[in-house]
Amino acid sequence: LAKTTQPISMDSYEGQEVNITCSHNNIATNDYITWYQQFPSQGPRFIIQGYKTKVTNEVASLFIPADRKSSTLSLPRVSLSDTAVYYCLVGVKSGGGADGLTFGKGTHLIIQP
Amino acid sequence: EPEVTQTPSHQVTQMGQEVILRCVPISNHLYFYWYRQILGQKVEFLVSFYNNEISEKSEIFDDQFSVERPDGSNFTLKIRSTKLEDSAMYFCASSDDGESTDTQYFGPGTRLTVL
Repeated sequence: LAKTTQPISMDSYEGQEVNITCSHNNIATNDYITWYQQFPSQGPRFIIQGYKTKVTNEVASLFIPADRKSSTLSLPRVSLSDTAVYYCLVGVKSGGGADGLTFGKGTHLIIQP
Repeated sequence: EPEVTQTPSHQVTQMGQEVILRCVPISNHLYFYWYRQILGQKVEFLVSFYNNEISEKSEIFDDQFSVERPDGSNFTLKIRSTKLEDSAMYFCASSDDGESTDTQYFGPGTRLTVL
């Protein structure tokens, strides 16, 4: 499994765009990059997944450079409710598998008024 | 939107007692998982289950743990003789047949407190 490194914590303010970068230098060719969000006392929630370039959904954007050794989760116009822990995971797309996810410590994002 | 449900939300038990944590995965999903998260620590994978058998398990999932899908909807985690260090949030998750991505859908968790 590719090791990931992300900041332990980040602070921002309501209405700002927040970018959380994850390093994964030894990402394998068939690895995907997935981000999960976890609020206190709740289960992790899938946010976005990508393989290369840019992926956007209603919640976030994911930017992946050509070398795929890092990725950036972008949250547009954050609100207080975006305060959570964000996890970057790198692994194989589960085409028929039942692989457990490996979570790191994540980035604790704190949004202030 | 379909979701994973778990019961109970909080379970308190005495050390040495058996507990069963229950989960109802999303109905068309085929892969099921249990994770745990000790307070203030990482989410840790315990076991995955597919086609009525364990697919993968971590070192944490020792002989004290077992999983079962007793009917078409429930997925259970049993801890035979609880220890103090089993106190944690236990999350159930499910995913579909693998044609999609690594997306696993997590339930709200059961907080297990062992006294």
